[in-house]
Amino acid sequence: QSVLTQPPSVSGAPGQRVTISCTGSSSNIGAGYDVHWYQQLPGTAPKLLIYGNNNRPSGVPDRFSGSKSGTSASLAITGLQAEDEADYYCQSYDSSLSGSRVFGGGTKLTVL
Amino acid sequence: QVHLVQSGAEVKKPGASVKVSCKASGYTFTTYRMHWVRQAPGQGLEWMGWLNTGNGNTKYSQKFQGRVSISGDTSASTAYLELSSLRSEDTALYYCAKDSPPTFYFKYWGQGTLVTVSS
Repeated sequence: QSVLTQPPSVSGAPGQRVTISCTGSSSNIGAGYDVHWYQQLPGTAPKLLIYGNNNRPSGVPDRFSGSKSGTSASLAITGLQAEDEADYYCQSYDSSLSGSRVFGGGTKLTVL
Repeated sequence: QVHLVQSGAEVKKPGASVKVSCKASGYTFTTYRMHWVRQAPGQGLEWMGWLNTGNGNTKYSQKFQGRVSISGDTSASTAYLELSSLRSEDTALYYCAKDSPPTFYFKYWGQGTLVTVSS
């Protein structure tokens, strides 16, 4: 059972917009700690996609965006492309587990 | 250019211990904490703990307390993860990841080390 809750799977057709939710609690997202998102392609290490709730590292297309409100966060992907098919994870910091980082369980994005 | 290069795959028997290394380059090793994250086959990411590379302090996930030890060799810019009393459920890819304060994300990851626990 992950500290942050994500839907196991989402899907969308090429060109569509999809969102992935990440729900936490008052000791992590709700406490004001930032949420970060990672993309993991099969057989590769996770890649930082969004940091600090809504910031993109250099090289990440602006089709990817993040938001946060209350105890939840969301990753939005617009103009869906076949290459976006991957696993996506949210991550934050949890004050009840001092010094601990926490991950969501991951969401498999399927491009139809 | 930051690089984290991990040691190769390991096969261990139940009850044994394993030690995985992560050599850092491209930055000052002692400036940033190093974390370890694991991923069992077909499963999600699981944070294990961190090493304060500057003073050697550590913090571990409660799940692994008593079985895990994270250490470092500053002269070699290398962090280590040791996991003892291995069981089949410990079969996983183990990643090191460099901390990015102040917002606690992981931009740089090692390539992963597969640890297989099998009799």
